Amino acid sequence: DAGITQSPRHKVTETGTPVTLRCHQTENHRYMYWYRQDPGHGLRLIHYSYGVKDTDKGEVSDGYSVSRSKTEDFLLTLESATSSQTSVYFCAIREGQSYGYTFGSGTRLTVV
Amino acid sequence: GNSVTQMEGPVTLSEEAFLTINCTYTATGYPSLFWYVQYPGEGLQLLLKATKADDKGSNKGFEATYRKETTSFHLEKGSVQVSDSAVYFCALRLQQSNTGNQFYFGTGTSLTVIP
Repeated sequence: DAGITQSPRHKVTETGTPVTLRCHQTENHRYMYWYRQDPGHGLRLIHYSYGVKDTDKGEVSDGYSVSRSKTEDFLLTLESATSSQTSVYFCAIREGQSYGYTFGSGTRLTVV
Repeated sequence: GNSVTQMEGPVTLSEEAFLTINCTYTATGYPSLFWYVQYPGEGLQLLLKATKADDKGSNKGFEATYRKETTSFHLEKGSVQVSDSAVYFCALRLQQSNTGNQFYFGTGTSLTVIP
């Protein structure tokens, strides 16, 4: 078990407010990822990290920022939430070169 | 570019029926191919994978063969159960650079198995 935890599991927020989602892992994996899941789009990569303070953009990074100040935590921030950011957000880690990703249980975010 | 196309759902089958979910891909380079399963309210779980042409991935009665000539990775199961009801995602992974791999996911196929 990779020990990956996302918080919160559910959140409702108002348009224009900042929101931070947290992904925590317990096994010191180098690579971490944030995805959003939307009907008809599958999973789309928002940002990823390949080490402490090392991050890069994915295909849908606009409106999102990330931070990784320590190996175990990868934070996703919506600086000013919009209704189009209503989605289910998944964090993932890569456990090794030959493996796929391991996903957290997701955060359901609703922006009203 | 890189992309994955899978058959649209939803798919509804009776218990013990044969399942096929089609998946084709477009990729630069030599991808690894994956099937993930998502049960209601949960994250994605790796179901099976294949890392090179002609490899067959298998798990829990599901199988998929990496077909380079047809750029396909169709998921099959001979006899589905109610507990197989879930959303299935096909995905490919390319080595982008030394900063990390990236996955490309299909849009998912919802399967419902009825008793």
